[in-house]
Amino acid sequence: AQKVTQAQTEISVVEKEDVTLDCVYETRDTTYYLFWYKQPPSGELVFLIRRNSFDEQNEISGRYSWNFQKSTSSFNFTITASQVVDSAVYFCALSGNTGNQFYFGTGTSLTVIP
Amino acid sequence: DTGVSQDPRHKITKRGQNVTFRCDPISEHNRLYWYRQTLGQGPEFLTYFQNEAQLEKSRLLSDRFSAERPKGSFSTLEIQRTEQGDSAMYLCASSFIDRFNEKLFFGSGTQLSVL
Repeated sequence: AQKVTQAQTEISVVEKEDVTLDCVYETRDTTYYLFWYKQPPSGELVFLIRRNSFDEQNEISGRYSWNFQKSTSSFNFTITASQVVDSAVYFCALSGNTGNQFYFGTGTSLTVIP
Repeated sequence: DTGVSQDPRHKITKRGQNVTFRCDPISEHNRLYWYRQTLGQGPEFLTYFQNEAQLEKSRLLSDRFSAERPKGSFSTLEIQRTEQGDSAMYLCASSFIDRFNEKLFFGSGTQLSVL
């Protein structure tokens, strides 16, 4: 079974603080793909990153970084020096090799307080 | 605008009525997905098309739901005899199938309220 768990329902931070959003996944596939999406108040899901299961290198893109650890089945997302514009709901998602569905977690609502 | 377009943005209907939503994907994308999202939840898969063929349907998709993609371009999702439990955001997404680089591009969704 494919499953994504985002245990943090809501997080509030003060602007310029760093924040980490947790994502834990379950899959029986040997090859799979992990994603993070951002859903601002406007509602449209915006793609942030895709990671293949065979590539465990961490990635940094500006203030965003992602830590993929197969040993703990986690794909955590860190925002450094948070800004008010980062306020949104963030979803982690999983796509396996045996199907064509994307499985989403329940999301983490991030509020950055000015 | 070359993104995924959904119409209408909002739909209010009475229980028992039929509704139809439209999705226009990114033009070169050959896959089109429908998802449903309720408050506080992540998107749940409903169905997807590759070109005009509907290849997979979720068990969530009851007989009252039907989706089409007649020419492999735009898609419609129809809900017959709507129920209050159908109230949700219906999201459309498209992608170009490339197993090493597939990612979904989402539209802004259609918010359905069934009274």
